[in-house]
Amino acid sequence: DVKVTQSSRYLVKRTGEKVFLECVQDMDHENMFWYRQDPGLGLRLIYFSYDVKMKEKGDIPEGYSVSREKKERFSLILESASTNQTSMYLCASSPPGARYEQYFGPGTRLTVT
Amino acid sequence: GNSVTQMEGPVTLSEEAFLTINCTYTATGYPSLFWYVQYPGEGLQLLLKATKADDKGSNKGFEATYRKETTSFHLEKGSVQVSDSAVYFCARNFGNEKLTFGTGTRLTIIP
Repeated sequence: DVKVTQSSRYLVKRTGEKVFLECVQDMDHENMFWYRQDPGLGLRLIYFSYDVKMKEKGDIPEGYSVSREKKERFSLILESASTNQTSMYLCASSPPGARYEQYFGPGTRLTVT
Repeated sequence: GNSVTQMEGPVTLSEEAFLTINCTYTATGYPSLFWYVQYPGEGLQLLLKATKADDKGSNKGFEATYRKETTSFHLEKGSVQVSDSAVYFCARNFGNEKLTFGTGTRLTIIP
């Protein structure tokens, strides 16, 4: 089974802090994604990556950056956390040839105070 | 633009009831369509998919048929169980576009 793990289930940070959310997948998937999930808005894509050191903006990249130095790891960075970034963050990966059949991690619930 | 609209929740049913969760999409072409499920405390999982008109996706007793004429992909199950309680997301993609998700429908099954 594909396993996608995220570094924390719950995280509380203060406004202005730099926040790192880590995601690791163990199935050698090329494609990795970061979403945020908010009530009434569903999932919105923040950033994605189709290869090591490659990244592309999703629908809501403002206030975020990403890093993909190794194939299995995709990090989401909040450069200066703000209260409107309080959300559930979901990481996903997918294999080549089935880019849209995504496997998700359990999510990190981030609260910014 | 291209989007997915799904039934507002929450939906509460008794065990063994028939389930329908509506999903419609807009697209200029023929997208692939998906249903994802999120069980409590877990990430989303792909439940079923259909890649062309009239295809029927099925898994775990759930079914959805790709209806081009009504631009719909409604999720159905004949007899729900308590373990089906979850949030269900309809999604679409077209070509190299990103997956677009609906807002999710929370389903609660009571014994």
